Amino acid sequence: GNSVTQMEGPVTLSEEAFLTINCTYTATGYPSLFWYVQYPGEGLQLLLKATKADDKGSNKGFEATYRKETTSFHLEKGSVQVSDSAVYFCALSDLPDSGNTPLVFGKGTRLSVIA
Amino acid sequence: EAGVAQSPRYKIIEKRQSVAFWCNPISGHATLYWYQQILGQGPKLLIQFQNNGVVDDSQLPKDRFSAERLKGVDSTLKIQPAKLEDSAVYLCASSFLRGGYEQYFGPGTRLTVT
Repeated sequence: GNSVTQMEGPVTLSEEAFLTINCTYTATGYPSLFWYVQYPGEGLQLLLKATKADDKGSNKGFEATYRKETTSFHLEKGSVQVSDSAVYFCALSDLPDSGNTPLVFGKGTRLSVIA
Repeated sequence: EAGVAQSPRYKIIEKRQSVAFWCNPISGHATLYWYQQILGQGPKLLIQFQNNGVVDDSQLPKDRFSAERLKGVDSTLKIQPAKLEDSAVYLCASSFLRGGYEQYFGPGTRLTVT
């Protein structure tokens, strides 16, 4: 079945440091890939997505590139801020969008950014 | 635009008791999901509705869990009787029926079974 593996946290960084959160997946077809973020006390929010190989999703300074050859979708940000402290989830869906198919999530990575 | 609403936000019950959670999706969203998120894990799908019909309930423990979406809008998830391992956050999400649209998540209900 489909699955997502992401690096375990917690990850603690100083403000303005470079962030990488690794995510790899196993899927039978050509899934769409997503990063969701959960800020303290809030619901899950879509951060970015990519629907086909070599697509790059980007939002709020975060980027991730869909690498079919390595089955990866690593999340990166060049300079993190305290406000980026949250739990980040990598996810996939079977079809090329998440509009009406369930998501398969990784376990989540907690990021803490200190000033 | 109002988001996905869930209630209650928190619930503490003893094992073998019953509990119900309510979800009101975003207006116009035909697809509704219930996910279970156990501490330290990612959300896992329990059941998916399209309008008031069930699309996927293969991971719903049907001996104790039930869910309904009678008029294709609000949904209720029930656990009866609860077990200790049901302690989790229950997330409701909704989306438009057609592809290409994002799933929107509610804030969740945190259930503690003692």
